[in-house]
Amino acid sequence: ETGVTQSPTHLIKTRGQQVTLRCSSQSGHNTVSWYQQALGQGPQFIFQYYREEENGRGNFPPRFSGLQFPNYSSELNVNALELDDSALYLCASSVWDRRGGELFFGEGSRLTVL
Amino acid sequence: DQQVKQNSPSLSVQEGRISILNCDYTNSMFDYFLWYKKYPAEGPTFLISISSIKDKNEDGRFTVFLNKSAKHLSLHIVPSQPGDSAVYFCAASANFGNEKLTFGTGTRLTIIP
Repeated sequence: ETGVTQSPTHLIKTRGQQVTLRCSSQSGHNTVSWYQQALGQGPQFIFQYYREEENGRGNFPPRFSGLQFPNYSSELNVNALELDDSALYLCASSVWDRRGGELFFGEGSRLTVL
Repeated sequence: DQQVKQNSPSLSVQEGRISILNCDYTNSMFDYFLWYKKYPAEGPTFLISISSIKDKNEDGRFTVFLNKSAKHLSLHIVPSQPGDSAVYFCAASANFGNEKLTFGTGTRLTIIP
């Protein structure tokens, strides 16, 4: 069973630039969620995609956007990068299950904004 | 506004003894609670969960207790093993599903051999 994979693992950008982070979901999973984990904090929910549609969004500005593709892989795009966007970005996949499905997380992409 | 709080940033426990990790929440709408474990350079992995209709859930060495009136949950690990050394995150959901999890800030557990 293939797990959740994310790329790149590390990257450095400068303020004002744009970044795209990628995620391949675990086989058989139709839901993907993105979380931001700042240093010393717990993961914060950015948004979730189910069947290629955004299905819930946390308290993040519109410059954070996403896509889910027919093969259930996903992208997180962040425009106009700010210093505070420096964080570990975690992708999690799951099978849509309102009884409480388990999230499977990738290792994350660590973004540094200078 | 920290809706899920883990007030102990770190905890050290002797191998073989019981580890107790605590978590408090403020949002009365939360009805599903989870614990995740995270090793360095890895993503969080699901450990155990409990719904608000229960007050205890057990899985091997891991037991989660929920006290709804106190808005408090705890994770008990017994006996503690060196491989349990990790950061533990408490998380909560308001719709008994896997949408938007609200995480605490984590507790770093160190098991002393």
